[in-house]
Amino acid sequence: ETGVTQTPRHLVMGMTNKKSLKCEQHLGHNAMYWYKQSAKKPLELMFVYNFKEQTENNSVPSRFSPECPNSSHLFLHLHTLQPEDSALYLCASSQDWSGLTIYLAKNIQYFGAGTRLSVL
Amino acid sequence: LAKTTQPISMDSYEGQEVNITCSHNNIATNDYITWYQQFPSQGPRFIIQGYKTKVTNEVASLFIPADRKSSTLSLPRVSLSDTAVYYCLVGGADSSYKLIFGSGTRLLVRP
Repeated sequence: ETGVTQTPRHLVMGMTNKKSLKCEQHLGHNAMYWYKQSAKKPLELMFVYNFKEQTENNSVPSRFSPECPNSSHLFLHLHTLQPEDSALYLCASSQDWSGLTIYLAKNIQYFGAGTRLSVL
Repeated sequence: LAKTTQPISMDSYEGQEVNITCSHNNIATNDYITWYQQFPSQGPRFIIQGYKTKVTNEVASLFIPADRKSSTLSLPRVSLSDTAVYYCLVGGADSSYKLIFGSGTRLLVRP
């Protein structure tokens, strides 16, 4: 148990469906992340939130829409996905980078178990 | 961000010590070296982090030479459950929230 919980663990959806992935962290962190991991590929950073503000959108298509209502919760809203979007979606959290060098340099991210998404 | 290079795969047997070396020739002064472990269909798990010399915790040791251009993750007496992918990451103060995962090293521990 890493303190980062993702739901659902598995999701199958059609290309016209709308669904949401949820992530919740109980670590008191202020930064949260979405990653995508496709089969036999490295993890790809998608979005970063720091103190609920989005600080990174790594050229992700608009069919993926993140939402961070507070520092403990992160959502990824999905609509009109493509089969190539099938992947393991991982959420992570870490201390914020509020300007303290020691925290910045030591950024340790804690990952959830992921949501295995299949788009038919 | 400093690029890292590590072997694609390694094989070992139960009870052996496993050393995985990572090269990071362009490591910056503020960069830390961090290792993660990932099992299939799970998120990566933090193993160990260091800046220089040697760091040891209950899971592994991390050896970093004086020039910091490489690092070695040492797993003592591996078991079957240590079969996983191991990632070496290097990051620093300027953009450390970005963890750039490479392909990692796939470790297979055999009985």
